[in-house]
Amino acid sequence: GEEVAQTPKHLVRGEGQKAKLYCAPIKGHSYVFWYQQVLKNEFKFLISFQNENVFDETGMPKERFSAKCLPNSPCSLEIQATKLEDSAVYFCASSPQQGGYEKLFFGSGTQLSVL
Amino acid sequence: DQQVKQNSPSLSVQEGRISILNCDYTNSMFDYFLWYKKYPAEGPTFLISISSIKDKNEDGRFTVFLNKSAKHLSLHIVPSQPGDSAVYFCAASAKNSGYALNFGKGTSLLVTP
Repeated sequence: GEEVAQTPKHLVRGEGQKAKLYCAPIKGHSYVFWYQQVLKNEFKFLISFQNENVFDETGMPKERFSAKCLPNSPCSLEIQATKLEDSAVYFCASSPQQGGYEKLFFGSGTQLSVL
Repeated sequence: DQQVKQNSPSLSVQEGRISILNCDYTNSMFDYFLWYKKYPAEGPTFLISISSIKDKNEDGRFTVFLNKSAKHLSLHIVPSQPGDSAVYFCAASAKNSGYALNFGKGTSLLVTP
């Protein structure tokens, strides 16, 4: 597709439950990024992939967060045992292999609410 | 530790006038800077960028200025239009950072008719 598709748009979880978010990058884009935006503040980088390989995971809280990008499947971001502070909008973005930041396209985000 | 700062949460400008949005950064390793525009319930969209080897980049009504010694950049919109009303995020990246961007908290611009 010609846009980054994120599902679901909204997700509500009780504290301690698992949350799984999905992202279908633009066809032909090799890089996928996940960002977290808390309370409409700055975007915090979580993790990036080059195809199915983790490219940079310096932003990931590793205890409860995990992510995958498998061939022929949407990428996913999973949060085990969600906490109240995980409430945020999670944005996925994708970029072509040789593209720079100008070709970084964002999805419209998944709003995660942890109650 | 926030490395990109946008100290003005909001800005209101009359249509036709100039909008100036400011951004400061602390990491001297940053070598690429971008501005993104965001409407509610949408993801950010790329607006304009500048490399650290330049001090100005212009694209239509949008101009970004970079002052490396002051670690400061600004976005100028001339003339401002009501459709420019959105949240503007400044972002920066360091070489070899793997395309990870550091974002500011955003400035909400309102352009009034």
